[in-house]
Amino acid sequence: AQTVTQSQPEMSVQEAETVTLSCTYDTSESDYYLFWYKQPPSRQMILVIRQEAYKQQNATENRFSVNFQKAAKSFSLKISDSQLGDAAMYFCAYRSEGSGNTPLVFGKGTRLSVIA
Amino acid sequence: NAGVTQTPKFRILKIGQSMTLQCAQDMNHNYMYWYRQDPGMGLKLIYYSVGAGITDKGEVPNGYNVSRSTTEDFPLRLELAAPSQTSVYFCASSYPGLARELFFGEGSRLTVL
Repeated sequence: AQTVTQSQPEMSVQEAETVTLSCTYDTSESDYYLFWYKQPPSRQMILVIRQEAYKQQNATENRFSVNFQKAAKSFSLKISDSQLGDAAMYFCAYRSEGSGNTPLVFGKGTRLSVIA
Repeated sequence: NAGVTQTPKFRILKIGQSMTLQCAQDMNHNYMYWYRQDPGMGLKLIYYSVGAGITDKGEVPNGYNVSRSTTEDFPLRLELAAPSQTSVYFCASSYPGLARELFFGEGSRLTVL
């Protein structure tokens, strides 16, 4: 079974600084998607960014970017110019081709604090 | 646009009671999912459905049942509630396809005493 590991239970960053959240995964599949979700105190799960395994170019969404290292099975999230509103739990998630429509597998999450 | 709607948002149950968590989506998504989130843990899949009349077990299905009679609704039934079922429950939906993101409801906090 695929597993997703987030080794940093908590992280903190100064406002306007940059922070990187780590994620590794275990799979034998060749095609898959990786996602980062944000969960603020409201509990609402919000998609931050996604990356297809076949694409070598790292995905970017405004201040959020990923460093995808397929061989190392690593998928880190970089948040630039951190804002107070970025404070949240961040979950890394994996979805494989498998049956073609498999559910997401989530890591345990990293709690990010932003210090003013 | 309501998206994914879960009810109730909060509920306290006594051990042995039963209840149903309701989930409805108005995006015409084929796929629907139930996850649970325990403190300090990620989301674990309970059940999912790829269409009306089709359901499959996830990682932690014991103690739960689901049905999918329509595309819109995917209720989760808890039979004989136990303290181990104290958790936050999330319903989600998506279109088919690897790249398709899941859209989540706001969650239902269940406490079993």
